[in-house]
Amino acid sequence: NAGVTQTPKFQVLKTGQSMTLQCAQDMNHNSMYWYRQDPGMGLRLIYYSASEGTTDKGEVPNGYNVSRLNKREFSLRLESAAPSQTSVYFCASSEARQGVLGLRGFFGSGTQLSVL
Amino acid sequence: AQTVTQSQPEMSVQEAETVTLSCTYDTSESNYYLFWYKQPPSRQMILVIRQEAYKQQNATENRFSVNFQKAAKSFSLKISDSQLGDTAMYFCAFIIQGAQKLVFGQGTRLTINP
Repeated sequence: NAGVTQTPKFQVLKTGQSMTLQCAQDMNHNSMYWYRQDPGMGLRLIYYSASEGTTDKGEVPNGYNVSRLNKREFSLRLESAAPSQTSVYFCASSEARQGVLGLRGFFGSGTQLSVL
Repeated sequence: AQTVTQSQPEMSVQEAETVTLSCTYDTSESNYYLFWYKQPPSRQMILVIRQEAYKQQNATENRFSVNFQKAAKSFSLKISDSQLGDTAMYFCAFIIQGAQKLVFGQGTRLTINP
């Protein structure tokens, strides 16, 4: 089925470890996003990529890096995980024409990350 | 700064009842879009309904409708004839036209009881 695929679905890390969350979409969307979801705070934008080859910081970028490997893939890397990064992470993509996620946007199924 | 506030952390109603979820937002922009997302226990984010700020007519999608009050910056979601499958977390969100950042509220956990 077409959509946004995130891996892994669950991950447990120790403080200081690194890992990369993978995201791929097969809808030929130009824009891709990484959000984190914390209890009582809704979803917050970490980074986004408006088009292949570009990335920009969102609301909470500290402690993260991203790579827009190609049009399909947008990865999120934690170089040195901290307990404050325990969260659910969502990747999303959308058509770029209006840059409006909700109109033509799709979310992945999320990654539950725990940092001990 | 743009903000979205959902003042009801939790709500609970009986099956077949009508329930209204509240949402207020703050922006100085005039062109924007508003959304309600549903997140069931599966964690999937599902777009329920959207509203363009320039449209005066309230959006409707089957049992879901909104009450959009632009001057009051209010965007409530009404679910009619509620069903057990409506049990989920509901998020209100908005985005400025041309922007990339979708701003979410804190969410309302809705439980539909049999």
